[in-house]
Amino acid sequence: GENVEQHPSTLSVQEGDSAVIKCTYSDSASNYFPWYKQELGKRPQLIIDIRSNVGEKKDQRIAVTLNKTAKHFSLHITETQPEDSAVYFCAAGGNKLVFGAGTILRVKS
Amino acid sequence: GAVVSQHPSWVICKSGTSVKIECRSLDFQATTMFWYRQFPKQSLMLMATSNEGSKATYEQGVEKDKFLINHASLTLSTLTVTSAHPEDSSFYICSAETTGGNEKLFFGSGTQLSVL
Repeated sequence: GENVEQHPSTLSVQEGDSAVIKCTYSDSASNYFPWYKQELGKRPQLIIDIRSNVGEKKDQRIAVTLNKTAKHFSLHITETQPEDSAVYFCAAGGNKLVFGAGTILRVKS
Repeated sequence: GAVVSQHPSWVICKSGTSVKIECRSLDFQATTMFWYRQFPKQSLMLMATSNEGSKATYEQGVEKDKFLINHASLTLSTLTVTSAHPEDSSFYICSAETTGGNEKLFFGSGTQLSVL
């Protein structure tokens, strides 16, 4: 089955700096790669996703890149703000998603 | 995004009792819903896939007789934790998958279960 690894487990950045979170997956059949943001005690919120026919997708300060050959995808947040502080999860799959272990992002003001 | 409602948001029960959690897709139909368990500071562990009108598919190690799933309509799936024990205490969260191409997964607000 699919296995997803996510790094780093924690990430601290200064407000205004960029943050990058990386994930690798094992199943070459996976074709859907969403990213979720989860604040403490709340539900995961879909922030951006990418499908295997696209290499990069951007939505304002958030971008995701996908390298199917290397089986890895990354989340890029630019101009970070304190409200970006949360746990971020990547996921990979098709009919069923497998989630990474999560990254705690802290944006220091 | 689509809205998924989950109730109750928290529940405390005595050991040996059963607890039912509801997951509803409010503005879309979901033939597939998923149930997860999340421990503090950990990731989402898929427990089972709930399919409308058919039996749920359970992940390895998840007891189907303990975690009963019913997906009787296109907007409602329920998870019943039967004969709950303290080790069942956890955050349970559902998600529903949109249909019609470019499927996306949206999560309910979760249920914190505490078994005394």
